[in-house]
Amino acid sequence: GAGVSQSPSNKVTEKGKDVELRCDPISGHTALYWYRQSLGQGLEFLIYFQGNSAPDKSGLPSDRFSAERTGGSVSTLTIQRTQQEDSAVYLCASSTPQGPTNEKLFFGSGTQLSVL
Amino acid sequence: GIQVEQSPPDLILQEGANSTLRCNFSDSVNNLQWFHQNPWGQLINLFYIPSGTKQNGRLSATTVATERYSLLYISSSQTTDSGVYFCAAWGGYQKVTFGTGTKLQVIP
Repeated sequence: GAGVSQSPSNKVTEKGKDVELRCDPISGHTALYWYRQSLGQGLEFLIYFQGNSAPDKSGLPSDRFSAERTGGSVSTLTIQRTQQEDSAVYLCASSTPQGPTNEKLFFGSGTQLSVL
Repeated sequence: GIQVEQSPPDLILQEGANSTLRCNFSDSVNNLQWFHQNPWGQLINLFYIPSGTKQNGRLSATTVATERYSLLYISSSQTTDSGVYFCAAWGGYQKVTFGTGTKLQVIP
């Protein structure tokens, strides 16, 4: 696609429910990142994919969070048993590294998650 | 991992004024990018600038890789420049590290 697409744009859920957030990266982009941003805060790294593998998942805050990527394209971030502190904007970015340099990031518009 | 620090954390400008935002990083990097997050939360690419100087209209950026800092210049600021400016830096095939941002408010 023309840009990074995230869905849904807004998600309201009840505490304890599971949610799935989707990211469609720019076609051909091999690297994919998930970040979380709480209101008025900076970007908190969650997980990084290179192709279908995740060499760095150190930012996932608990075992309730998981992510996968299939076919080197779409990624899904799943949050199980949601808690109110999970409420935030979840941002996805993709890039196509040309070797160790010349890697430019492009962000989607994010998913606003509200846990009631 | 790489540490990224931005200054100042907050900045208020009168419309028409100029400003300089700074980004320091703790280690050598192969990639550096400046973003503007608008009031609707969208992150807009401003510059990809691991070294050297670039200009785009009223904005310009300079990265001195050997001294591990980058500067973003905003000239003749406008109210539409308001938002948060983030710097991101990373090595090759590594996770991207963001600074904590500079929140800019331009008042008419």
